[in-house]
Amino acid sequence: GNSVTQMEGPVTLSEEAFLTINCTYTATGYPSLFWYVQYPGEGLQLLLKATKADDKGSNKGFEATYRKETTSFHLEKGSVQVSDSAVYFCALRFTGTASKLTFGTGTRLQVTL
Amino acid sequence: GAGVSQSPRYKVAKRGQDVALRCDPISGHVSLFWYQQALGQGPEFLTYFQNEAQLDKSGLPSDRFFAERPEGSVSTLKIQRTQQEDSAVYLCASSLALAGTSSTDTQYFGPGTRLTVL
Repeated sequence: GNSVTQMEGPVTLSEEAFLTINCTYTATGYPSLFWYVQYPGEGLQLLLKATKADDKGSNKGFEATYRKETTSFHLEKGSVQVSDSAVYFCALRFTGTASKLTFGTGTRLQVTL
Repeated sequence: GAGVSQSPRYKVAKRGQDVALRCDPISGHVSLFWYQQALGQGPEFLTYFQNEAQLDKSGLPSDRFFAERPEGSVSTLKIQRTQQEDSAVYLCASSLALAGTSSTDTQYFGPGTRLTVL
């Protein structure tokens, strides 16, 4: 079946540090890939997405590149802020009826001053 | 405009009670999804509606779980005879297009209902 594996958290960084959260997937075919973010007390929000190999999704300084050869979609940010503290979920979805999302377990990021 | 709303935000039930969780999707959104998120885990798919039709219920964990969307808008997830293992956050998401018509169609999530079964 389809699955997503994320690095375990929590990840604790100082402000302005470089962030990488690893995500790999297992799927039959070529899914679309997503990063969602969940801020404390809020619902899941789409952070960025990529729909085919070598696409780069980007938003709010975050980036992730769809790597078919390594089945990966690692999330990166060059300089994190305290306001980036949240739980980050990697997910995949196939185009088709009932395009349900399959999520990883989430990675908690804590950024300190 | 208004996002996806869910009510109640928190629900405490005694084991064996029935509960009903409500989802108000974004107006005009055709597709509606329910997910279950256990503590420390990612959301897991429960069921999908296209307008009022429930096209996929493969993720419902047992026949105690039932979902409906009778008029193609508001949806209710009902859990009968709740068990402790049902304790989780139940998330609703909606998207504008028919699922599968666009690889980029975004699902918008509500804040969730946290269910605790004692």
